[in-house]
Amino acid sequence: GQQVMQIPQYQHVQEGEDFTTYCNSSTTLSNIQWYKQRPGGHPVFLIQLVKSGEVKKQKRLTFQFGEAKKNSSLHITATQTTDVGTYFCAGHRGSTLGRLYFGRGTQLTVWP
Amino acid sequence: GAVVSQHPSWVICKSGTSVKIECRSLDFQATTMFWYRQFPKQSLMLMATSNEGSKATYEQGVEKDKFLINHASLTLSTLTVTSAHPEDSSFYICSARVSSNSWPSSGNTIYFGEGSWLTVV
Repeated sequence: GQQVMQIPQYQHVQEGEDFTTYCNSSTTLSNIQWYKQRPGGHPVFLIQLVKSGEVKKQKRLTFQFGEAKKNSSLHITATQTTDVGTYFCAGHRGSTLGRLYFGRGTQLTVWP
Repeated sequence: GAVVSQHPSWVICKSGTSVKIECRSLDFQATTMFWYRQFPKQSLMLMATSNEGSKATYEQGVEKDKFLINHASLTLSTLTVTSAHPEDSSFYICSARVSSNSWPSSGNTIYFGEGSWLTVV
């Protein structure tokens, strides 16, 4: 079964609207990573969060790691058509030498 | 939902031997599978893109003779690490792309296997 839950599975927004995807794990994660996959491409690493409550920003993207290190979110402000793609979260449970647990991904469509 | 099974989850092999990792799409057909490698505390590194019935496309810096990829059917791709050495120890993960073009998949929905941890001793 899926170890890391990610919602929503699909999101369709009008250009300029905000977008948020959420990840939740039943167990504490050592870290959380976010990936973006453009249509026809492969997942590309975006960022890694390690500390409890950590918040990082990349231009219009804001990443948060929950205080309990069980959940995370990616928020995009004022979406653009270039934001289209699937966003994956993934995390290690315990040792970072072990398995990386991925969410199913959120497929974002941005209408112009 | 779609499931990608990767086997084995953990493998330890002796230096100089070869090891095969399988990636299967259990309930869907995957014309394209991706193989990744991940070192501790680092992001996924795409090794190659595997298309059913054709030769894999390797990323720059990845030795195709060392990392043999076979995608003989729409549900199975294999990665064989030949003449493994300790520096090949890593976490290998595959993903499979759903073939369907029906909305909302648009032919781009992918699912990851759980990964295989290889230790070469």
